Amino acid sequence: QKEVEQNSGPLSVPEGAIASLNCTYSDRGSQSFFWYRQYSGKSPELIMFIYSNGDKEDGRFTAQLNKASQYVSLLIRDSQPSDSATYLCAFPDVQGAQKLVFGQGTRLTINP
Amino acid sequence: GAVVSQHPSRVICKSGTSVKIECRSLDFQATTMFWYRQFPKQSLMLMATSNEGSKATYEQGVEKDKFLINHASLTLSTLTVTSAHPEDSSFYICSAKALGLAKASYNEQFFGPGTRLTVL
Repeated sequence: QKEVEQNSGPLSVPEGAIASLNCTYSDRGSQSFFWYRQYSGKSPELIMFIYSNGDKEDGRFTAQLNKASQYVSLLIRDSQPSDSATYLCAFPDVQGAQKLVFGQGTRLTINP
Repeated sequence: GAVVSQHPSRVICKSGTSVKIECRSLDFQATTMFWYRQFPKQSLMLMATSNEGSKATYEQGVEKDKFLINHASLTLSTLTVTSAHPEDSSFYICSAKALGLAKASYNEQFFGPGTRLTVL
């Protein structure tokens, strides 16, 4: 059973600070990872994907992957109130297979 | 690019009726579409994987005779909730994997906006 663990939160961060979201996974064979953002009442949208160890940066977002420790994180710099949402990490169930395994999501609130 | 639409966005129906939800990939071909259900304050729950031209693969515990899925073309999949009951009230979301879409990363799914079903 492939699993993804996330702290459900809520995580409160002051505006302008760095928000750090973490995710651990059980399958050592996992190669690619996704971070989705979901606003209340809306469907998920892709924020980042990463498949190599290390960091990947895109604007204010940085994804970090550590395959040896089996965790992936998402850093949001200069947090804005509009970043308040639930963040879901996900990875493919089996390498090459179709479906994604989602974590339960971390609810992030950015306080003005 | 990579836009997925769903119709309707919101539906209210009486108990016992059937509801059909459409999921379309607007600017790409989707060999595989997925149907999820999400209850309030809970994470996504995958219901089934739909492949064009073949029968859907349902997740454990999902009744295939109640949730009928048809994927008749590379741009359209439908989910029919048959004999809906109040406990079927939920947010139904589809997603699609792109066929040969350059911008798509490996295994990326593009989500539709969701359909909120309320069964009275």
